[in-house]
Amino acid sequence: AQRVTQPEKLLSVFKGAPVELKCNYSYSGSPELFWYVQYSRQRLQLLLRHISRESIKGFTADLNKGETSFHLKKPFAQEEDSAMYYCALSGGNYGGSQGNLIFGKGTKLSVKP
Amino acid sequence: KAGVTQTPRYLIKTRGQQVTLSCSPISGHRSVSWYQQTPGQGLQFLFEYFSETQRNKGNFPGRFSGRQFSNSRSEMNVSTLELGDSALYLCASSFWGEKLFFGSGTQLSVL
Repeated sequence: AQRVTQPEKLLSVFKGAPVELKCNYSYSGSPELFWYVQYSRQRLQLLLRHISRESIKGFTADLNKGETSFHLKKPFAQEEDSAMYYCALSGGNYGGSQGNLIFGKGTKLSVKP
Repeated sequence: KAGVTQTPRYLIKTRGQQVTLSCSPISGHRSVSWYQQTPGQGLQFLFEYFSETQRNKGNFPGRFSGRQFSNSRSEMNVSTLELGDSALYLCASSFWGEKLFFGSGTQLSVL
């Protein structure tokens, strides 16, 4: 069964500390993985996708097929990074389509001053 | 461009009733997806429409249905409401199915 697991409900770090939000997935085939973020009182929005191999707001995520993981990392956390982060897997029949996403339960990141 | 618009913002219904939620995608977007968000289950995919055709469906009972119109606007309907249907219903649109743009959601309370 296709599944996304985010083991931490809450992650609290101090400003300037490294942060790693964990995501593990279960999927048969070549997965398409994404990180979505929801800042306070804002809409859910795409942060990054593994296929782009880009860094957004200092965040990166590497797909590790051997460990079936897609952890989100940032070397120096900022207070404005405080938000809810969701890892998601594309489960649709159309390659790369994000229309059918399987979301993890989310991790709330709190960055303290 | 205006963002994804969902109406109404809040809705209160009683068990057994039916409800229709509306979603207007970003202009030019042809794909609309619906998600249910609850504290216990998180975000769960309901269905996706592209050019008026349903191309993906989640694991929800037949009481949940949707449709998309020629102008890409979409509606979802829930019949015979149950208490467990209380949730935030999110709509998202995209041009083809890549980056999703989410609406603010409709908060449905079933009493």
